[in-house]
Amino acid sequence: DTAVSQTPKYLVTQMGNDKSIKCEQNLGHDTMYWYKQDSKKFLKIMFSYNNKELIINETVPNRFSPKSPDKAHLNLHINSLELGDSAVYFCASSPRAHSYNEQFFGPGTRLTVL
Amino acid sequence: DAKTTQPPSMDCAEGRAANLPCNHSTISGNEYVYWYRQIHSQGPQYIIHGLKNNETNEMASLIITEDRKSSTLILPHATLRDTAVYYCIVRGSQGNLIFGKGTKLSVKP
Repeated sequence: DTAVSQTPKYLVTQMGNDKSIKCEQNLGHDTMYWYKQDSKKFLKIMFSYNNKELIINETVPNRFSPKSPDKAHLNLHINSLELGDSAVYFCASSPRAHSYNEQFFGPGTRLTVL
Repeated sequence: DAKTTQPPSMDCAEGRAANLPCNHSTISGNEYVYWYRQIHSQGPQYIIHGLKNNETNEMASLIITEDRKSSTLILPHATLRDTAVYYCIVRGSQGNLIFGKGTKLSVKP
């Protein structure tokens, strides 16, 4: 009965590869997010989708492309992976946009680029 | 570009109250203050939020100064499971949460 789930939990890959991380929420929420937590532990928002529409897009390289097939899923595809992409990526969801006190986070995906 | 300032670390004895301070001197009049925590290797977890008045829920209490430039999160009876990084957060320009470095709270037996 996991609320927000991510796969895979760990991802190790070579520079230049393309990879995807999947996120699913079973809370019936309308809004989903992707955050990146770097080695210095800063947690920064990357994207936010509300009912499958992009509402927040921070300054992120266009190698990162979120895709929301339905409002329960928000996947993150990364092209041409670079060493600096190594981080923990967290997916989150909330009942509606700007529900700052109601964001539920997934367990994270630790991406290591070699 | 976090808009809050917190001490990098604090210790607390198990069973005692943990008081975590936060400065948000540039907060605007209608902005809430949110607190989240992140236990090691897990995603952040919502704790509490407030605007002007003090707030209390099953997890913690939040005391906001009258000028709203600072606040204190209180865990009344800290347990070992409360060891985590605690983030005091206000919204960014796009309406998103901006996490700073937070305070690493270590609860010791």
